[in-house]
Amino acid sequence: GIQVEQSPPDLILQEGANSTLRCNFSDSVNNLQWFHQNPWGQLINLFYIPSGTKQNGRLSATTVATERYSLLYISSSQTTDSGVYFCAVGRDDKIIFGKGTRLHILP
Amino acid sequence: GAVVSQHPSRVICKSGTSVKIECRSLDFQATTMFWYRQFPKQSLMLMATSNEGSKATYEQGVEKDKFLINHASLTLSTLTVTSAHPEDSSFYICSARVPGGGRYEQYFGPGTRLTVT
Repeated sequence: GIQVEQSPPDLILQEGANSTLRCNFSDSVNNLQWFHQNPWGQLINLFYIPSGTKQNGRLSATTVATERYSLLYISSSQTTDSGVYFCAVGRDDKIIFGKGTRLHILP
Repeated sequence: GAVVSQHPSRVICKSGTSVKIECRSLDFQATTMFWYRQFPKQSLMLMATSNEGSKATYEQGVEKDKFLINHASLTLSTLTVTSAHPEDSSFYICSARVPGGGRYEQYFGPGTRLTVT
């Protein structure tokens, strides 16, 4: 099956810093999503991005499907950005989650 | 739009009893719903795919007789953990896909934390 690797596993930053999270995958996909899991466990949809580039406020994402990776950019980090960021990839309906990047933003 | 709810949010039960968890799509009809489980500080693992009006498709290693899934309507799927044991304690999360349009984006419920004593 498809393998998904996220890096870095952990990231500690000062408020206001920028960060780049990476998601590598082992096979061609037509389904790729980025999520933020908040401290209560709720998964928040950030981007549905099987290819291309999207932006939403301070967040943006780029997927280069031919090279099998996706990047999530967070600019001007806020403490509310803390939590775990998951990349999930797959073909059609079935998606496989990476292990996540645990982000901690210090005030 | 695309809101998914789960009930209950938290449940504690005794070993040997059964627990039912509901997953509802509130503002759309979901022909396909998914059930995941997540252990502390770990990733989400797909347990099964639930299709309205047909039997669920279980992932390898998931006991279908233990985790009963029923998708009886276009807005409701249920997961019943039968004869629960402490090792079934976990965070169970459902998701649903908005049908049509060629998009496979899933929307997730808030999860149910199950503790078996």
